[in-house]
Amino acid sequence: QVQLQESGPGLVKPSQTLSLTCTVSGGSISSGSYYWNWIRQPAGKGLEWIGRISVNGNINYNPSLKSRVAISQDPSKNQFSLKLSSVTAADTAVYYCARNYYNSGSYGDWGQGTLVTVSS
Amino acid sequence: QSVLTQPPSVSGAPGQRVTLSCAGSSSNIGPGYDVHWYQQLPGTAPKLLIYDTTNRPSGVPDRFSGSRSGTSASLAISGLQGEDEADYYCQSYDPTLVAWVFGGGTKLTV
Repeated sequence: QVQLQESGPGLVKPSQTLSLTCTVSGGSISSGSYYWNWIRQPAGKGLEWIGRISVNGNINYNPSLKSRVAISQDPSKNQFSLKLSSVTAADTAVYYCARNYYNSGSYGDWGQGTLVTVSS
Repeated sequence: QSVLTQPPSVSGAPGQRVTLSCAGSSSNIGPGYDVHWYQQLPGTAPKLLIYDTTNRPSGVPDRFSGSRSGTSASLAISGLQGEDEADYYCQSYDPTLVAWVFGGGTKLTV
């Protein structure tokens, strides 16, 4: 059973860069044909897909965030990461990392989520 | 405003059957892109309930079922239980947006 765990600062100042890491255990991010995703949820609101990366390095971003987002992976640490630049209060949310469910576009495995607040 | 439209709230009595709707468009659900459903309990991550429109992951009770008709999809829950009280989200793909999109969620009260 794969497990995902987000980590990173819980408070980021406006205009700075939000950086989060997802550590995967119980499975390798380098095996299979999975995509590894970032999804966020502002308090009391719905879910928003941010982007994804595959084992062979294919990356897709939500066009609404594309100019500010970068997703990368570190197979040696079994981790993948998110950077979101020029943040504003609108980026305050719980950020989840998630793995696609086999070859489906759905997300079968999720981290517990981490709250990131953008405030000075 | 979400690309997929869900009613903000639905309620039902224990034992009843309820249907949660997810309205899309000719850009996403209409052309046949798969729809997925998630259950989110307060303070927890979403849990996959239905994938590829009609399939249940192992461990999900058969009280939960998914379907599609035209540009909309539905999640049916039969034999409602108190533990089903949660937020439910639908998800699909929109090629015009080049993004995976979610509905705004429906709060189910039992």
